[in-house]
Amino acid sequence: DTGVSQDPRHKITKRGQNVTFRCDPISEHNRLYWYRQTLGQGPEFLTYFQNEAQLEKSRLLSDRFSAERPKGSFSTLEIQRTEQGDSAMYLCASSSESDTQYFGPGTRLTVL
Amino acid sequence: AQSVSQHNHHVILSEAASLELGCNYSYGGTVNLFWYVQYPGQHLQLLLKYFSGDPLVKGIKGFEAEFIKSKFSFNLRKPSVQWSDTAEYFCAVLVGGFQKLVFGTGTRLLVSP
Repeated sequence: DTGVSQDPRHKITKRGQNVTFRCDPISEHNRLYWYRQTLGQGPEFLTYFQNEAQLEKSRLLSDRFSAERPKGSFSTLEIQRTEQGDSAMYLCASSSESDTQYFGPGTRLTVL
Repeated sequence: AQSVSQHNHHVILSEAASLELGCNYSYGGTVNLFWYVQYPGQHLQLLLKYFSGDPLVKGIKGFEAEFIKSKFSFNLRKPSVQWSDTAEYFCAVLVGGFQKLVFGTGTRLLVSP
């Protein structure tokens, strides 16, 4: 049973650098989500794809953030000019039409 | 805006004690409700969910939750906890018409042996 996978699991970067994370959803799932989780908080929604179309973006997603899902399979989340406030766990989830979202292990970003 | 409140941030119990974690949401329309669990060092896993029908839903590992529409609540219960239930528990709502989960801040449960 292959679940949602994310790469890398940890990323340490210096302020101002660009970073890119990858998410591979469960293969038959057409919906893909990105969330961000900071210490002591629950995950917060960032963006949502249905197949390759990005259908919703949170106001949390500033202009420095961009997400793609070019072929409706894997997705990438890029953060440009990282800031210390971007340090968080970035979670990916996927679902089919059943509305149950299955989460990956996350990518922990530390911005120095 | 939709929100989810979890009243207990930290709970400490002894093994065999009963557990109830509170969850309230603010949304008047159709909601789908979830409890997720995150064991130490692991990713979020679905514990149980409510979409419709019987308001008392049963999940994995002996957990259950009751949806009370009039109280906007979806409390999680387990009659007898085990040390292995030590984890962080998140309540979440999927709002009708939208495709995002809104999470509470989580409850850290520590079960002492």
